[in-house]
Parts: sequence; structure tokens; C-alpha cells
Amino acid sequence: GQQLNQSPQSMFIQEGEDVSMNCTSSSIFNTWLWYKQDPGEGPVLLIALYKAGELTSNGRLTAQFGITRKDSFLNISASIPSDVGIYFCAGQLNNFNKFYFGSGTKLNVKP
Amino acid sequence: GAVVSQHPSWVICKSGTSVKIECRSLDFQATTMFWYRQFPKQSLMLMATSNEGSKATYEQGVEKDKFLINHASLTLSTLTVTSAHPEDSSFYICSATPGFEAFFGQGTRLTVV
Repeated sequence: GQQLNQSPQSMFIQEGEDVSMNCTSSSIFNTWLWYKQDPGEGPVLLIALYKAGELTSNGRLTAQFGITRKDSFLNISASIPSDVGIYFCAGQLNNFNKFYFGSGTKLNVKP
Repeated sequence: GAVVSQHPSWVICKSGTSVKIECRSLDFQATTMFWYRQFPKQSLMLMATSNEGSKATYEQGVEKDKFLINHASLTLSTLTVTSAHPEDSSFYICSATPGFEAFFGQGTRLTVV
């Protein structure tokens, strides 16, 4: 399958700090999605990106679709304890096709 | 967002038995659904693509006779783990795409003893 390189693997930050994580791929994707997964739960969609260069926000979350269509980043501003979880990027090669997932970024927020 | 419901949330079965997991799209029709497997502290690994009215498409390395997939209607796909063994213990998650976005079920924790 496709390889999505997600970094960092884990982060330990203080409440109120901003966070940034990214995904890169050797393939060009049509769609990038960002998910958050809590333990024992399925991933929950945070942000969806459809166009190269697109910058989309969802509350304190901002994500961008890289110009080359081979990368994407997710920023979380003013982190809070409930941001704790594992964040995954996912890319879709062709519309209505399967998604491939990054390895995840585990976020820890210290109150 | 769209709602995908997975059942059961967890199941414990004896080695050698079969287990069926259901994935339903509650507020949309899904001609395609996806089944993933997730090991502890790891990412989601795509197992197969479930196609309504036709055979599922399995990823390389996934045994199709071991993991039987049936997509009998536009809102239901099932994954049956046949002759389960302890190494099949894992977190299984389904997803469906009403448009360009994938929505996930709650996941099923399978433990084979």
C-alpha cells in the first residue's frame, strides 16, 4: 500500500501551546483528511482538504493541502487537555477510492 | 457528519469459532465500505474494500477465506472472522464514504481466547 510519513510520532506539550504535525507522501493525493482517535474509539473526522494549497480551519484547528499535493499539515492552536489523543492523516489517491493512513501522532497535553 | 454504526463494540470468542461484525451507514447509502484492522499503538491497516453486490477487494497479504466480507445492501457490510485464533485479536474498524470523506464506525474489539 501507499506510504504516508507522519511526524512527529508523539508530542508532549503544555496547555496553551500551539501544535503542528505533518504528513508527506511519495504519491500525489486528491484528498487529504485529518482524524483524531481516542482510545477504544473509531477515528473522528476533523478536517477535509480537496484542493492543492487549500487552507481550512475548524475552530482551533487549521490544516493545509500542500501545493505539490504530496503533503499536508495540521495545526492546533492554544491546546487544551481534551486535545489529547492520536491524530492521523489520511490521503485518497482518486476520488471515491480507498484512503491510506499515516502512522499517527500521539499528543499529550499537560495542564 | 455522516453516521456509521458498528456492532458489536467488543466480542470475546473461543479459538476456532467464527465472529461476525456489522457495519451500517445510518443516514446515507454506501456502495463501498472499507474494513481496517488496528493493532495497539499502531495506525489503521486497510484490509479490504467491500463492494455492494459484488466481491470484496482484499489488500495484499489479507486472507480472503479468513476474513469473509459481505455487502448485501447499500447500508450494511459484514466482516466474518472465520476459525478465529488468538492472533486475530485486534481492533476492527469500518468506514464508509458518502462523498469524498470517510466516516468511521466505533470499532470492534475482538479478543480470541
